Amino acid sequence: NAGVMQNPRHLVRRRGQEARLRCSPMKGHSHVYWYRQLPEEGLKFMVYLQKENIIDESGMPKERFSAEFPKEGPSILRIQQVVRGDSAAYFCASSPFTGKNTEAFFGQGTRLTVV
Amino acid sequence: DAKTTQPTSMDCAEGRAANLPCNHSTISGNEYVYWYRQIHSQGPQYIIHGLKNNETNEMASLIITEDRKSSTLILPHATLRDTAVYYCIVRDANAGNMLTFGGGTRLMVKP
Repeated sequence: NAGVMQNPRHLVRRRGQEARLRCSPMKGHSHVYWYRQLPEEGLKFMVYLQKENIIDESGMPKERFSAEFPKEGPSILRIQQVVRGDSAAYFCASSPFTGKNTEAFFGQGTRLTVV
Repeated sequence: DAKTTQPTSMDCAEGRAANLPCNHSTISGNEYVYWYRQIHSQGPQYIIHGLKNNETNEMASLIITEDRKSSTLILPHATLRDTAVYYCIVRDANAGNMLTFGGGTRLMVKP
């Protein structure tokens, strides 16, 4: 059973370009969470999605950032018109359901560098 | 979610037990204690979690005090590969799996 798969592992974008980060959850997992880790800082929750639904986007910047988790295919975190401050590691986690006794498993992250 | 307090850093000798404390004095009855670790910029790795009983798995043991205001993660025989930042997180059972990461404890296992 493959773990949470994120790609690409490293992404370089010029200022103003778009960045698309993909996350394939573990098999059987229908809940996806995105986190951002700025250099030398802790992980910050961004958004929580189920298939075709955004459940909680309280951690998402108001502009330029969007996320989706379609019925088929991976979850996508999209950053439009990237700026240098978007340079960070973006981690995706998945869980099978939301319950009292569940844990989320993380992917290895996508390291975005904006030049 | 309740706030947690952890020491910023700790050292441990290789082969010895590493005991990582965590205070969560404002924890409520439906909140679980979770531990994750992050090894040098890799994705966080789930270690263990518990509600009020002590828990043990192949990686670690979790000791939760009777009043649930604090807990200790125990790595019984620390190896160099256990060097990482360890995060103690309190999660509301009804709030999904969104995790609030604090600063964690940077554990350095030394030969």
